[in-house]
Amino acid sequence: GDSVTQMEGPVTLSEEAFLTINCTYTATGYPSLFWYVQYPGEGLQLLLKATKADDKGSNKGFEATYRKETTSFHLEKGSVQVSDSAVYFCALIPKSTGNQFYFGTGTSLTVIP
Amino acid sequence: DAGVIQSPRHEVTEMGQEVTLRCKPISGHDYLFWYRQTMMRGLELLIYFNNNVPIDDSGMPEDRFSAKMPNASFSTLKIQPSEPRDSAVYFCASSFTGRVGAFFGQGTRLTVV
Repeated sequence: GDSVTQMEGPVTLSEEAFLTINCTYTATGYPSLFWYVQYPGEGLQLLLKATKADDKGSNKGFEATYRKETTSFHLEKGSVQVSDSAVYFCALIPKSTGNQFYFGTGTSLTVIP
Repeated sequence: DAGVIQSPRHEVTEMGQEVTLRCKPISGHDYLFWYRQTMMRGLELLIYFNNNVPIDDSGMPEDRFSAKMPNASFSTLKIQPSEPRDSAVYFCASSFTGRVGAFFGQGTRLTVV
């Protein structure tokens, strides 16, 4: 079935370090792929998305590229800030369904000054 | 638009009591989702609606849980009777058709004592 696998956390980085959070997916056809971010005590916010192969989603310095050959959608940021500390969720919507989301388990990121 | 609005933000209730969580989706969105988030199980989809009709309720834990969407601007999730293991953060989310991403509310933190 359709699913998303994220790298396990927690991840702790120093400010200005490079961030990669791995995400791979299993789905038939071409799903839409998403990254969501959840700050403490808040709901999930859409961070970026990509709807077809080779698309790059970007927002707030974060990027992720839809790689069909490796079924991946890794999240990257060149220089993290303390304010990026949050939980990050990878998600997909399969092509075959309406709008049902499949979320990964989330990766907790802590950035220390 | 004010976004997805959930109420109450916090609810503390005694075991056996009825609990009703409320959600107002973003105007014009035709999908509405209810999720539950706990440390142990992560983010779980409970039920989702399309055009006010329940499409998939396979995630509803048991008969104590019920959800309704009487119109396009309002949905409820009811737990009767509540149990301590129902303690979690419950999120409502809404989206447009077209796999463009969902918008989440701030959540309701439910504590059953």
